[in-house]
Amino acid sequence: DVKVTQSSRYLVKRTGEKVFLECVQDMDHENMFWYRQDPGLGLRLIYFSYDVKMKEKGDIPEGYSVSREKKERFSLILESASTNQTSMYLCASRNSPFRETVSNQPQHFGDGTRLSIL
Amino acid sequence: KQEVTQIPAALSVPEGENLVLNCSFTDSAIYNLQWFRQDPGKGLTSLLLIQSSQREQTSGRLNASLDKSSGRSTLYIAASQPGDSATYLCAVSGTASKLTFGTGTRLQVTL
Repeated sequence: DVKVTQSSRYLVKRTGEKVFLECVQDMDHENMFWYRQDPGLGLRLIYFSYDVKMKEKGDIPEGYSVSREKKERFSLILESASTNQTSMYLCASRNSPFRETVSNQPQHFGDGTRLSIL
Repeated sequence: KQEVTQIPAALSVPEGENLVLNCSFTDSAIYNLQWFRQDPGKGLTSLLLIQSSQREQTSGRLNASLDKSSGRSTLYIAASQPGDSATYLCAVSGTASKLTFGTGTRLQVTL
C-alpha cells in the first residue's frame, strides 16, 4: 500500500511566522501535490511537482512556495503566515513512470495537517 | 473553468439499501474522473478511477459510471453498511495534472 505521511496532524502558528509543512511518500512516485480544504470550497490545488526540483503553480499559489529536493519529500512553505491560511492541508502523490504531466494513475493522500494561524 | 457539482450534499439511508451518488461537471474535455472517500478529520482514500475512454469501473460493492458527453458520473453503492458512512468526493482531471473537486456528499448509513 502507498503510504503518504504528513509530519503533523495539528499545528498552531502565529501571524507572520514562516511555516513548513512536510510530506513524505514511500512508493517512489514522481508526482506530488499540495491541496488545501475549506468548508464550502472543497479541495483546491496549491502547487504540484511532477519530478524532483520541478514545480508548477496550482489554482491558489499566492502566499505559498514549495520545495522538492528529494523524490520522496515535498514541502509546503508559508512565507509569512496569515489568518486566512488557517485550513486543512492535504498532500498527495501519484505514480507517473514516464514523468508525464497528465496520468491515469490515482492520487494517494496523506491524513492531512490541520493548521491554525493565530 | 471546470466546475464540479455533487448532489445531494447529504444523504441518510438505512443499512442494506442500494444508493446512488451523483457528480456533474461542466467541461467534458476530461482525462479521467476519480471517486474518493473521506472519513472525518482524515485524508482521502481513492475508491475508483475511470479513464475518459471507459464507461464504468467496479470494485466490490462499488460501481462508478461515466457519461463524458453529458458531464455526469454516478457512484453506486450496493447493500450499504454503517461502515460506508463518510463523505464521498468526485474529482475530474483535465490537463496539467489538475484535479478539480466537488464539495462532496456526506453519507450516513443508519442501523
